[in-house]
Amino acid sequence: ETGVTQTPRHLVMGMTNKKSLKCEQHLGHNAMYWYKQSAKKPLELMFVYSLEERVENNSVPSRFSPECPNSSHLFLHLHTLQPEDSALYLCASSQDWDPDRDTQYFGPGTRLTVL
Amino acid sequence: KNEVEQSPQNLTAQEGEFITINCSYSVGISALHWLQQHPGGGIVSLFMLSSGKKKHGRLIATINIQEKHSSLHITASHPRDSAVYICAVRYYSGGGADGLTFGKGTHLIIQP
Repeated sequence: ETGVTQTPRHLVMGMTNKKSLKCEQHLGHNAMYWYKQSAKKPLELMFVYSLEERVENNSVPSRFSPECPNSSHLFLHLHTLQPEDSALYLCASSQDWDPDRDTQYFGPGTRLTVL
Repeated sequence: KNEVEQSPQNLTAQEGEFITINCSYSVGISALHWLQQHPGGGIVSLFMLSSGKKKHGRLIATINIQEKHSSLHITASHPRDSAVYICAVRYYSGGGADGLTFGKGTHLIIQP
């Protein structure tokens, strides 16, 4: 148990659906992250929020829309996804946004399948 | 694009064996991370290092900055060590927040 929870753990959706992934951290951290892990590929950073402001967006398609209402919660809103978006989506948090110094704590992930 | 190379991609060993997983990167970094991902997806951060060596229990991580290489060692391996081990680095960007670049991972299986 890392102190980072994600819901749902599994999600199957059609290409026309709208769904949201939720992440919650109970560690008092100031930075939160969304990662995508596709089969046979390295982890890809999607979004970083520090103190509820987005600081990193690695050219993610607009069909993925993040929301960080407060430092403990992070959402990833999904709409009109493609089958190639099927992957494990991981949330993480760290004390601050400093990859040189701060350990990231990962949630268990949401396994997303797009039909 | 700077990448992170890990070897081997897959490793199967017997319980008790000494395990070494390697990670190479291409240019200067400010930090290197070793992560462990269990079946089902959960990831745990094992080490973060920028020089020298760190030890935690049966796990040892070393980094050679000149050779741009890091190793993760597991002594007295056990079936519960079976997992994917991921190396990640923070490249010097000269400004901006580049985040971490991840390797593809090494899939380790320890057989009883």
